[in-house]
Amino acid sequence: EAAVTQSPRSKVAVTGGKVTLSCHQTNNHDYMYWYRQDTGHGLRLIHYSYVADSTEKGDIPDGYKASRPSQENFSLILELASLSQTAVYFCASSDAGLANYAEQFFGPGTRLTVL
Amino acid sequence: GDSVTQKEGLVTLTEGLPVMLNCTYQTIYSNAFLFWYVHYLNESPRLLLKSSTDNKRTEHQGFHATLHKSSSSFHLQKSSAQLSDSALYYCALSVGSNYQLIWGSGTKLIIKP
Repeated sequence: EAAVTQSPRSKVAVTGGKVTLSCHQTNNHDYMYWYRQDTGHGLRLIHYSYVADSTEKGDIPDGYKASRPSQENFSLILELASLSQTAVYFCASSDAGLANYAEQFFGPGTRLTVL
Repeated sequence: GDSVTQKEGLVTLTEGLPVMLNCTYQTIYSNAFLFWYVHYLNESPRLLLKSSTDNKRTEHQGFHATLHKSSSSFHLQKSSAQLSDSALYYCALSVGSNYQLIWGSGTKLIIKP
């Protein structure tokens, strides 16, 4: 019954390879987000989306693309994976109707290791 | 620009002692919304508490925080730490019209017996 799910939960990728991380939410939320978590940096926003078929750049978009084919699904794409992209990635969703007071609901995370 | 500062990267306490995790923020907006999220190991980050009301204490699960706009602070407190409080705590700010969260760098709290 988890409202935000991510797949895969962990992945090992080779440098230069393509990686796609998927996120699915059943919250009926308009906003979806992709974050990466690194020790010492906390959560950093990569891309976000507030409507299907549209994505926006976050604070650290370089090296990442995003895709929002439907309200429920939001993917993060690494076209050419690099060692520096080894991190834990979290997807989240929030209700646009609550504006600035909206809570973000997080998925379980994907641990990506690039070798 | 807008920012959130959590000065302590790591706080280690003995069980039973009070907890205080610091959070200060900077923004040009008067309508600041502040959040504390908690991230337990092997779980997802989740909201602990939030506030937008100046000088009003907000409580949840034994933790409390008061937004002080005069000092731009939203410190997280608990009267008596428990082993189960060990986690990563994030302070976050939402302002303006894009509804994004501006995150602090997080404070890792370790409670020892």
